[in-house]
Amino acid sequence: KQEVTQIPAALSVPEGENLVLNCSFTDSAIYNLQWFRQDPGKGLTSLLLIQSSQREQTSGRLNASLDKSSGRSTLYIAASQPGDSATYLCAVKGNTGKLIFGQGTTLQVKP
Amino acid sequence: NAGVTQTPKFQVLKTGQSMTLQCAQDMNHNSMYWYRQDPGMGLRLIYYSASEGTTDKGEVPNGYNVSRLNKREFSLRLESAAPSQTSVYFCASSEAQGLGYTFGSGTRLTVV
Repeated sequence: KQEVTQIPAALSVPEGENLVLNCSFTDSAIYNLQWFRQDPGKGLTSLLLIQSSQREQTSGRLNASLDKSSGRSTLYIAASQPGDSATYLCAVKGNTGKLIFGQGTTLQVKP
Repeated sequence: NAGVTQTPKFQVLKTGQSMTLQCAQDMNHNSMYWYRQDPGMGLRLIYYSASEGTTDKGEVPNGYNVSRLNKREFSLRLESAAPSQTSVYFCASSEAQGLGYTFGSGTRLTVV
């Protein structure tokens, strides 16, 4: 059974810092891995999608990496801003077609 | 705007009442999903529909039924609501196996 873990559960950093969010999964047989952002009381916004054959994806200040063999992904946020404060969710899609989520990392960026 | 639309956004039910949560997508996606999100539990899959005409149970299907009405619409029904079903419900869709998911904005349901 696929299990997805995100560490840390919460993170507080001063504005301007570069930071890394971690995601690990137990079954390396995945189709893709997706990072989402969720603001309080809102839905999920897709940030980056990495296919199983890819090593990383970049969008603006965000960079996500994937190491299937070790069952790990990282989301790197450069030059963090208060507007980046949200919960970040990692999810993997396996051969069942189902998306399995981690419990998220809640990020607070202080001005 | 293209995307996934859920109705209603908020709902309060009494124990034992029934209701249907509606979801529609206009991206011509084949697959649709219902998740619930609870504090400390993360997002858990209730039911999914890999394609029009098919539905399958997810991780937490008890107390729910679904209908894939057509390619666009996938509804979730609570036949006899229980306080344990108080949650935020999200609908999502996906085009194909290797592609990402798009989520709706959620339905916040309270059962008293």
